[in-house]
Amino acid sequence: KQEVTQIPAALSVPEGENLVLNCSFTDSAIYNLQWFRQDPGKGLTSLLLIQSSQREQTSGRLNASLDKSSGRSTLYIAASQPGDSATYLCAVRRTNQAGTALIFGKGTTLSVSS
Amino acid sequence: AAGVIQSPRHLIKEKRETATLKCYPIPRHDTVYWYQQGPGQDPQFLISFYEKMQSDKGSIPDRFSAQQFSDYHSELNMSSLELGDSALYFCASRTLNSPLHFGNGTRLTVT
Repeated sequence: KQEVTQIPAALSVPEGENLVLNCSFTDSAIYNLQWFRQDPGKGLTSLLLIQSSQREQTSGRLNASLDKSSGRSTLYIAASQPGDSATYLCAVRRTNQAGTALIFGKGTTLSVSS
Repeated sequence: AAGVIQSPRHLIKEKRETATLKCYPIPRHDTVYWYQQGPGQDPQFLISFYEKMQSDKGSIPDRFSAQQFSDYHSELNMSSLELGDSALYFCASRTLNSPLHFGNGTRLTVT
């Protein structure tokens, strides 16, 4: 059974710092991995999608990497801002079969202070 | 850009009542997912549909049922509600090789 773990569970940094969020998964046979952001009580916003054949994806100040063989992904946030404060979740998809569920980690709650 | 629309945003029900949650996926998305997220928890997969057929099933209780209609919208029907059903219920949609896009959720409170 696929398990997704995110470390740390919570992280506090001052504004301007670069930071890394970690995600690990037990079964390396994944089709893709997606990073989401969730503000308290709100929906999940997709940040980056990495296919299993890719090593990384970038969007603005965000960079996500994927090492499928070791079962790890990282989300790098450059020059953090208070508006980045949220919970960040990673999720893996097992197959390309339509309707295959994403399995989520429990998230890392990030707090960026000004 | 159009997003996933869920209704209602908030719903309050009493124990043993029924509830129906609706989801309108992004246009041209053919796959719909339902997730349940309890307070402080990660989203738990309930059920998914592809082209109006059930595709995958997760931890959906027998008291719940769902379907996807010809216009691709989906409804989650919940009966004999229990206090433990209080949660945020998210719908998400995608099409082949696209990211999964979530709606803003329905907050269900069972009293």
